[in-house]
Amino acid sequence: IAGITQAPTSQILAAGRRMTLRCTQDMRHNAMYWYRQDLGLGLRLIHYSNTAGTTGKGEVPDGYSVSRANTDDFPLTLASAVPSQTSVYFCASSAASTGGELFFGEGSRLTVL
Amino acid sequence: GENVEQHPSTLSVQEGDSAVIKCTYSDSASNYFPWYKQELGKGPQLIIDIRSNVGEKKDQRIAVTLNKTAKHFSLHITETQPEDSAVYFCAASRGGSSNTGKLIFGQGTTLQVKP
Repeated sequence: IAGITQAPTSQILAAGRRMTLRCTQDMRHNAMYWYRQDLGLGLRLIHYSNTAGTTGKGEVPDGYSVSRANTDDFPLTLASAVPSQTSVYFCASSAASTGGELFFGEGSRLTVL
Repeated sequence: GENVEQHPSTLSVQEGDSAVIKCTYSDSASNYFPWYKQELGKGPQLIIDIRSNVGEKKDQRIAVTLNKTAKHFSLHITETQPEDSAVYFCAASRGGSSNTGKLIFGQGTTLQVKP
């Protein structure tokens, strides 16, 4: 069982470039989330989706966009990357749209130069 | 919105000793408090959680306590082992129909268990 699959695992990106981080789940979970992890700041919620077709803003949404066209996929797009978006990005899902246990992917390490 | 503070940021203990990590939260409506463990190069994994109608919960060597009045909760690990070495995160969220499932995480605690 794959669970949550994220791609790419790691990426170096020039500032100003557009980047999409991919996330796919095979658990048929209703809700999906994107977090960024920075040293000393823990995990901060960027965007979330309670169910296919809906999305919402988290704690740090600026500079990011998401879409949820179907249950399984939840891509995160940086329209014009900036160095402050250098981080490790984690996608997660939960079975219930009202939360509960989160299942995380392995993360995508993004460096913006 | 919710704010979760976690202490300490690093914790070093001898194998066999106990470890305690503490978190405080700001939103009195929060009623779900999970703890996640993150090993190097991996995503976080749930190890234990507690809901606000319960004061304490145990699972083998780990336990979580909740004080709703003071708005703080703690993770207790007894008889620590080297494989307990990891980063631990507390989190809080609201539950129920109005909840979007958004977990707000603490800053993380790096636990090192020395053999």
